[in-house]
Amino acid sequence: AQSVAQPEDQVNVAEGNPLTVKCTYSVSGNPYLFWYVQYPNRGLQFLLKYITGDNLVKGSYGFEAEFNKSQTSFHLKKPSALVSDSALYFCAVRDGYNNNDMRFGAGTRLTVKP
Amino acid sequence: KAGVTQTPRYLIKTRGQQVTLSCSPISGHRSVSWYQQTPGQGLQFLFEYFSETQRNKGNFPGRFSGRQFSNSRSEMNVSTLELGDSALYLCASSLTAGGYTFGSGTRLTVV
Repeated sequence: AQSVAQPEDQVNVAEGNPLTVKCTYSVSGNPYLFWYVQYPNRGLQFLLKYITGDNLVKGSYGFEAEFNKSQTSFHLKKPSALVSDSALYFCAVRDGYNNNDMRFGAGTRLTVKP
Repeated sequence: KAGVTQTPRYLIKTRGQQVTLSCSPISGHRSVSWYQQTPGQGLQFLFEYFSETQRNKGNFPGRFSGRQFSNSRSEMNVSTLELGDSALYLCASSLTAGGYTFGSGTRLTVV
């Protein structure tokens, strides 16, 4: 079965600094990888996905992620953090070959301080 | 284009009761998935329906059930509610395996 690990419960960065939220995955077939963001009392909002193609994926709000097959990682990055980026971030994986369900990591709470 | 609609937004039930939650997917989306989100357990997969058939199922007891109708709308039911069932229940729809669109969720509180 597919699974995701987000090794950091919390990430703190200063506004204007680059941010990285880490994600590693495990899947037996083809990895379809996703990042979602959740604001308080809201559902999950899609940020970006990797299905195939370029390893560097660009998404919403200036976020990007790099697919690294050898390290089975899909870290989320942003060159310059904003206070409004503070939220809960989830990495998710789906086995594109076996059409299994999507599994989520435990989430990483990002706090950007002014 | 309307998003994923979940009703009701908030619900308070008593232990032992049953509850039904509803999800209307984006028009044209045939896959609907349900997740339970709690502070301690994170996002736990409940089940996925595709064209009225349950395609995948998570590790939840039989008290949790669901169904999908011919118009792709889905319902999930929880019988004999327990305090631990208090959670945010999220529904997501998808057109392909390319990703989900989530609703705002139903906040269930069991007292």
